[in-house]
Amino acid sequence: DAGVIQSPRHEVTEMGQEVTLRCKPISGHDYLFWYRQTMMRGLELLIYFNNNVPIDDSGMPEDRFSAKMPNASFSTLKIQPSEPRDSAVYFCASSRTSEGQPQHFGDGTRLSIL
Amino acid sequence: TQLLEQSPQFLSIQEGENLTVYCNSSSVFSSLQWYRQEPGEGPVLLVTVVTGGEVKKLKRLTFQFGDARKDSSLHITAAQPGDTGLYLCAGDQLDNNDMRFGAGTRLTVKP
Repeated sequence: DAGVIQSPRHEVTEMGQEVTLRCKPISGHDYLFWYRQTMMRGLELLIYFNNNVPIDDSGMPEDRFSAKMPNASFSTLKIQPSEPRDSAVYFCASSRTSEGQPQHFGDGTRLSIL
Repeated sequence: TQLLEQSPQFLSIQEGENLTVYCNSSSVFSSLQWYRQEPGEGPVLLVTVVTGGEVKKLKRLTFQFGDARKDSSLHITAAQPGDTGLYLCAGDQLDNNDMRFGAGTRLTVKP
């Protein structure tokens, strides 16, 4: 079975540019999570969806960040405008339910904002 | 302040040594999970513990959930270089459905 698929794997862009990260969850999983990982702050939950509906976006750092899930097989995380402090590895994960079920992570997008 | 405190933050040992890493919180969890993350990859689930006092073994890895379901430990026997990685604990709080991750323990096992 295909795991969680994220694209691109690497993104380097200049500050001020719009960045769009993409995620395809595992088929049949009801929950989708977006995380950001840095050495300083570890793995931070940004937002999660249940059945395509955003449930908790309290981890989204600023209005520059937005996430959508137009259907069960696709989600995007957008940063506009991007800033150097947004540089991090962004992970998408999915699970069948949120309680006690394992989260399956993609390999992440390494984002560098110059 | 992290909901889940992991210690130590970094650990470097020689092949063959034993080690224990810890995951502590003041909150009660309905379940707790341990993940291992290797460079360039996402975290991968190792085990889920659900019952207070539960002990689970996965080859040389032993996981224990505290009686009060507030803490957990991971013990590795005879560590090998392949055990190198970032070990993350994640807890599902009793009063909500949000799973939160600790900052992790970065383990290096030298040959």
